[in-house]
Amino acid sequence: GENVEQHPSTLSVQEGDSAVIKCTYSDSASNYFPWYKQELGKRPQLIIDIRSNVGEKKDQRIAVTLNKTAKHFSLHITETQPEDSAVYFCAASYGGYQKVTFGTGTKLQVIP
Amino acid sequence: SQTIHQWPATLVQPVGSPLSLECTVEGTSNPNLYWYRQAAGRGLQLLFYSVGIGQISSEVPQNLSASRPQDRQFILSSKKLLLSDSGFYLCAWTAPSQNIQYFGAGTRLSVL
Repeated sequence: GENVEQHPSTLSVQEGDSAVIKCTYSDSASNYFPWYKQELGKRPQLIIDIRSNVGEKKDQRIAVTLNKTAKHFSLHITETQPEDSAVYFCAASYGGYQKVTFGTGTKLQVIP
Repeated sequence: SQTIHQWPATLVQPVGSPLSLECTVEGTSNPNLYWYRQAAGRGLQLLFYSVGIGQISSEVPQNLSASRPQDRQFILSSKKLLLSDSGFYLCAWTAPSQNIQYFGAGTRLSVL
């Protein structure tokens, strides 16, 4: 089955700096890669996603890049703000039933 | 619009007692449904998924079971809870042939 590895597990940045979270996946059949943000005690919420036919996608301060050859994808957050502090999960999806495999999460702390 | 309901929000149960968590989806037909567990400070572990009524796939063998008695209803059960069953349980759904997962608000289960 699919295996998704995510690094780092924790990340502290100063407000205004950029943050980068990296994930690798094992199954070349995976074709959909979402990123979820989970605030403390809350449900995960989709913040951005990318499909295998696209190399990069951007939404305001958030961008995701995908390298299919190397089987890795990354989340980039620019101009970080304290409200960006949360746990971020990457995921990979494939198959007719849209089974999603999640990474282990990155706890991002933005220091004011 | 589609909404997902999950209850109860919190639950404290003694070891050896039964469990029933319920999840319902509104505003869509034939959704794919999922149960995840999240231990404190950990990632999302897929427990069960269902692509239709009565169709349940188990990802992790354990003392939990799932049922889908109706198209938009997904139930997580246990006959006898273990201490290790404590965690944050999340229900999620996707539309047929779609990838984006939407999560319920979660149930925080403490087994004492």
